[in-house]
Amino acid sequence: AQSVTQPDIHITVSEGASLELRCNYSYGATPYLFWYVQSPGQGLQLLLKYFSGDTLVQGIKGFEAEFKRSQSSFNLRKPSVHWSDAAEYFCAVGKAGTASKLTFGTGTRLQVML
Amino acid sequence: GAVVSQHPSRVICKSGTSVKIECRSLDFQATTMFWYRQFPKQSLMLMATSNEGSKATYEQGVEKDKFLINHASLTLSTLTVTSAHPEDSSFYICSARSPGGNTEAFFGQGTRLTVV
Repeated sequence: AQSVTQPDIHITVSEGASLELRCNYSYGATPYLFWYVQSPGQGLQLLLKYFSGDTLVQGIKGFEAEFKRSQSSFNLRKPSVHWSDAAEYFCAVGKAGTASKLTFGTGTRLQVML
Repeated sequence: GAVVSQHPSRVICKSGTSVKIECRSLDFQATTMFWYRQFPKQSLMLMATSNEGSKATYEQGVEKDKFLINHASLTLSTLTVTSAHPEDSSFYICSARSPGGNTEAFFGQGTRLTVV
């Protein structure tokens, strides 16, 4: 069965610094991969997704992620973090080869220091 | 496009009562909807898959008699938490996908349920 690991529970960065959030997945075939952001008490906002093609994916709010099959990773990056990026970030993989039924990682809470 | 609306956004109910949460696809027809639960400071866990016109498929460990799911139309799925108890307090969020192909699902804004 597929699974998602987000090794970092909590990350703190200074505003303006670069950011990388790690995500490793377990799935035998090419996965459907997603990154979502959740502000406190709010729903999920899709940042970006990977289905196929170019392994470097651009998303909203200046985020990007790179799919690396050899490392089973889909790390999220941003070159310069803004205070408003403070939130919970979830990586997800489609269950059983679907793009709609998702298995989520445990999340990474991002704190931004001013 | 691809807007999914959940109602209510917050609900408080007394222990032992039932509460219904609605998930609507506003601008597309959703043959399949998914219900997730998120406990405080935890991840989202899939509860069930709801297919229009048929019985829902529940994930292992989810009580189907407690969490009743109805998907009677192509734009509406409901989750009813029956005989709610404080341990059912959680954030419930739905997602919906349109028919045809292997497409992604779109999430509603979630419902915060508090059972007192």
